[in-house]
Amino acid sequence: DGGITQSPKYLFRKEGQNVTLSCEQNLNHDAMYWYRQDPGQGLRLIYYSQIVNDFQKGDIAEGYSVSREKKESFPLTVTSAQKNPTAFYLCASNWGRGAYGYTFGSGTRLTVV
Amino acid sequence: AQTVTQSQPEMSVQEAETVTLSCTYDTSENNYYLFWYKQPPSRQMILVIRQEAYKQQNATENRFSVNFQKAAKSFSLKISDSQLGDTAMYFCAFLVSGGSNYKLTFGKGTLLTVNP
Repeated sequence: DGGITQSPKYLFRKEGQNVTLSCEQNLNHDAMYWYRQDPGQGLRLIYYSQIVNDFQKGDIAEGYSVSREKKESFPLTVTSAQKNPTAFYLCASNWGRGAYGYTFGSGTRLTVV
Repeated sequence: AQTVTQSQPEMSVQEAETVTLSCTYDTSENNYYLFWYKQPPSRQMILVIRQEAYKQQNATENRFSVNFQKAAKSFSLKISDSQLGDTAMYFCAFLVSGGSNYKLTFGKGTLLTVNP
């Protein structure tokens, strides 16, 4: 079945460490997105990519980095510069111009310990 | 920039009753899409219903329907015959048609609890 796979489901990070969240899709979608979800804040866009080897900052990109070397993959690195990384992270993709909405992964819960 | 406002952080309804969730948005665009997403306790985002702004007719999907008022920039979701499985966070979202990117802008969500 086609879909988006995010891994791991739960991730723990020590202060000062970089961590990478995985996002893989087999839907042949061109565009991929990373959102951060905090209680009472809704979903906020971190980065997005519309084609391979190209990506743009979203509304809250500081302290995050991404790459898009393959169409299927869009990993997100949470760097030590991100001061408040504890959150739920959602990856999504869409086909065409998004007219039919996004398909979402099941998310990664990141906790700083 | 587009903004989406959901003014009801939490709502509750009795099983089998009807409930309406509110959403307003602000945009200078004329062509766009509106969506309602459901996020149950599993946290998987599920598309409930979509509306194309150029269509006058309100979208309907089984027990879910919308009241789309373009002039008022309002997009409410009505859930009929509420079921326990409807308990979830509901997000309203907006996307500009034909723009240079395909970004979805989300509201902050409404937590709906269906009581037995």
